Amino acid sequence: EIVMTQSPATLSVSPGERVTLSCRASQSVSGNLAWYQQKPGQAPRLLIYGASTRATGIPARFSGSGSGTEFTLTISSLQSEDFAVYYCQQYNNWPRTFGQGTKLEIK
Amino acid sequence: EVQVVESGGDLVQPGGSLRLSCSVSGFTFSSFPMHWVRQAPGKGLEYVSAIGSSGTGTYYADSVKGRFTISRDNSHNTLYLQMSSLRAEDTAVYYCVKMGYDGSSYYYDSWGRGTLVTVSS
Repeated sequence: EIVMTQSPATLSVSPGERVTLSCRASQSVSGNLAWYQQKPGQAPRLLIYGASTRATGIPARFSGSGSGTEFTLTISSLQSEDFAVYYCQQYNNWPRTFGQGTKLEIK
Repeated sequence: EVQVVESGGDLVQPGGSLRLSCSVSGFTFSSFPMHWVRQAPGKGLEYVSAIGSSGTGTYYADSVKGRFTISRDNSHNTLYLQMSSLRAEDTAVYYCVKMGYDGSSYYYDSWGRGTLVTVSS
């Protein structure tokens, strides 16, 4: 099973700041990496697939990069609605596995 | 618009059984693989089970293998998860997820709002 490790676990940031979230895979997942946003009481929402392709309707301030084992999600200028938990997930191997999540908190 | 709606969650005793349903609309159901993903209270996301578009291929997480059965009815646009021998650690919100295709692999595209399964005596 591929282990996905996200860092940091929690990030305290101010609106308007630029943030970068990291995700590392225990072995190569090629470019088969997705990012999801989850707000309290809501289902996860797809942000990025294929490591860098924004899903339909996702604002341009969200961008993804990386391949192999190292990936990042960058939010260029945090908006109030972006404070949430972010998960990465690999879909290269079975079983599909998720990172443990990074929580973005308001500083 | 894609819609994914789960139902069937309930309080059930350890060792009991439950069947979850997922009704979909807004896309050609028979063309897409579907997955179940769960989230225990206050925890992260965990893949549970997957099924191919025609229903012939099924996959399970080790934690549920032999206890859960995934199936689908393409004529009624419905996905199912039959759960038996339930344990306290199966307590979670269960999400039904439609796959998207990026040209080479399937990713988790659209999620339902989930249905809560609580296993407790």
